[in-house]
Amino acid sequence: EAAVTQSPRSKVAVTGGKVTLSCHQTNNHDYMYWYRQDTGHGLRLIHYSYVADSTEKGDIPDGYKASRPSQENFSLILELASLSQTAVYFCASSDPGPGDSDYTFGSGTRLLVI
Amino acid sequence: AQKVTQTQTSISVMEKTTVTMDCVYETQDSSYFLFWYKQTASGEIVFLIRQDSYKKENATVGHYSLNFQKPKSSIGLIITATQIEDSAVYFCAMRERNNYAQGLTFGLGTRVSVFP
Repeated sequence: EAAVTQSPRSKVAVTGGKVTLSCHQTNNHDYMYWYRQDTGHGLRLIHYSYVADSTEKGDIPDGYKASRPSQENFSLILELASLSQTAVYFCASSDPGPGDSDYTFGSGTRLLVI
Repeated sequence: AQKVTQTQTSISVMEKTTVTMDCVYETQDSSYFLFWYKQTASGEIVFLIRQDSYKKENATVGHYSLNFQKPKSSIGLIITATQIEDSAVYFCAMRERNNYAQGLTFGLGTRVSVFP
């Protein structure tokens, strides 16, 4: 079954440290996204990509970098983690089309920065 | 820019009754897609139902249905015969046809608690 897999599922990071969140999809989708969810809030778009080796800024890109080395893989990088980046991060993949649910979400990565 | 607003932060209902959630949206695009997702207690985000703006009929899937009022930019979710396992946070989201690459814009969510 097609899926989006995120790793790690949870992580504790130290302020100022580097954090890499990984996402792998088997949907053969061109589009991939990183969203951030804060407690009690909806999802906000950080970065997205529609082709390998290219990424675009979303609504809240500050403090984050992204990398899309292949169609299947999309990483989110926090070069200098800060307390304010404590959140749950979701990866998603999609492709345009008439079918329902053209977005598939991963299970999320819970990040705690201390 | 597109915007999605869910004003109800939480709703409590008795099992086997009907619950209705509101969502209003803003967009400059004449063609767009509206979605409802459910986030379970484990954090999983599950697709429920979708409405395409050019369709006049309200979408229905299982015990989920939509109340699409295009002139009011409103897309309500109706869950009939609620079950305990319907307890979750429900998100309304939208995507403009001409802005596919930037993905979905989400509302803040409505927490539904179903009691026996």
